[in-house]
Amino acid sequence: GEEVAQTPKHLVRGEGQKAKLYCAPIKGHSYVFWYQQVLKNEFKFLISFQNENVFDETGMPKERFSAKCLPNSPCSLEIQATKLEDSAVYFCASSPQSEETQYFGPGTRLLVL
Amino acid sequence: QKEVEQDPGPLSVPEGAIVSLNCTYSNSAFQYFMWYRQYSRKGPELLMYTYSSGNKEDGRFTAQVDKSSKYISLFIRDSQPSDSATYLCAMSVFSGGYNKLIFGAGTRLAVHP
Repeated sequence: GEEVAQTPKHLVRGEGQKAKLYCAPIKGHSYVFWYQQVLKNEFKFLISFQNENVFDETGMPKERFSAKCLPNSPCSLEIQATKLEDSAVYFCASSPQSEETQYFGPGTRLLVL
Repeated sequence: QKEVEQDPGPLSVPEGAIVSLNCTYSNSAFQYFMWYRQYSRKGPELLMYTYSSGNKEDGRFTAQVDKSSKYISLFIRDSQPSDSATYLCAMSVFSGGYNKLIFGAGTRLAVHP
């Protein structure tokens, strides 16, 4: 598609439950990025993929967060055993091979109660 | 100290005013400078993208980069109520076909009729 698609728009989980978020990058874009936006607009980089390969995962809290980008499937970000502080908006972005800019999806708003 | 500093505002101006939004940064390796606009409950939308020092104009928007001072600006002429949003600066180093964006905190702008 021509836009980055993210589902669901909203997700509510009880503390300790699992949350799974999905992202379909723009068709033809080979890079996918996940960001976490918490209060006051602070964007935190989580992970990036080049096609199905993890490129940079320096921002991921690895003990509970995992992500995949498999061929012919939406990319996913999964949080095991969610905590209250995981409440945030999670944005996915994609980028073509040779561009420096990233194009963002509408985000998934996760609320952990 | 954060790599990118941006005054979160809020900034309130009357319709028709010239708006100046600014960011400073500490990493001299940054090569690419972007401004994103984010409406409430939406994903960031790329507004302007510049490489290296200089000015770039697009309609009512002008982006300015001063690498010697590590300072970037976005000017909005003849501001409109529809410009009311959060403006995020972002910058990156492009290396190996990949860039990771570092965002400022975002400045909330309100343009009142």
